[in-house]
Amino acid sequence: NAGVTQTPKFRVLKTGQSMTLLCAQDMNHEYMYWYRQDPGMGLRLIHYSVGEGTTAKGEVPDGYNVSRLKKQNFLLGLESAAPSQTSVYFCASRPLTGGITDTQYFGPGTRLTVL
Amino acid sequence: KNQVEQSPQSLIILEGKNCTLQCNYTVSPFSNLRWYKQDTGRGPVSLTIMTFSENTKSNGRYTATLDADTKQSSLHITASQLSDSASYICVVSAGNAGNMLTFGGGTRLMVKP
Repeated sequence: NAGVTQTPKFRVLKTGQSMTLLCAQDMNHEYMYWYRQDPGMGLRLIHYSVGEGTTAKGEVPDGYNVSRLKKQNFLLGLESAAPSQTSVYFCASRPLTGGITDTQYFGPGTRLTVL
Repeated sequence: KNQVEQSPQSLIILEGKNCTLQCNYTVSPFSNLRWYKQDTGRGPVSLTIMTFSENTKSNGRYTATLDADTKQSSLHITASQLSDSASYICVVSAGNAGNMLTFGGGTRLMVKP
């Protein structure tokens, strides 16, 4: 049981390049989330998904797109990277059990630098 | 706007000492409050979670308190160890169906021998 995994771990892009970050979970969780973490700031929600085939915008969705074609995978895409997207990206998942105390489980993060 | 503020931003203590981290929040409606530990280069890991009716929760040497009236929480670490060096993040849930969380900026704790 690997939990939540993210690939790649590190990436350097030039402005205008595109890339896709992959998040995978093997816990059969319904909910999945993408966050970014910037120095001195709390994690901010980019997009989330409440189930296969569904996605929704979070707090800072501009410049990002997502897809949830399979329940276990949640992809985050940057179509035209900008230096402002330099950050550490975290994926998280949680089960659909209805409890208000359900915990989100986080992946190890992807450190992205846009030059 | 929902906000979570943590203090101090950073803290250095000697191994074996105790410390207390603070969290103030303005999140509505309140559902629950979590404390996460984030080691350098890793994702956050949940330490404790408290709902509105709970005012204290322990996990080993970690004890969290919640005062829902003043909208404050604290995380007390007893007999600190070198492995406690990490960022501690206070996270508040607004209780909506999507389990949307508001994260504090974290307190970076360094435990020195």
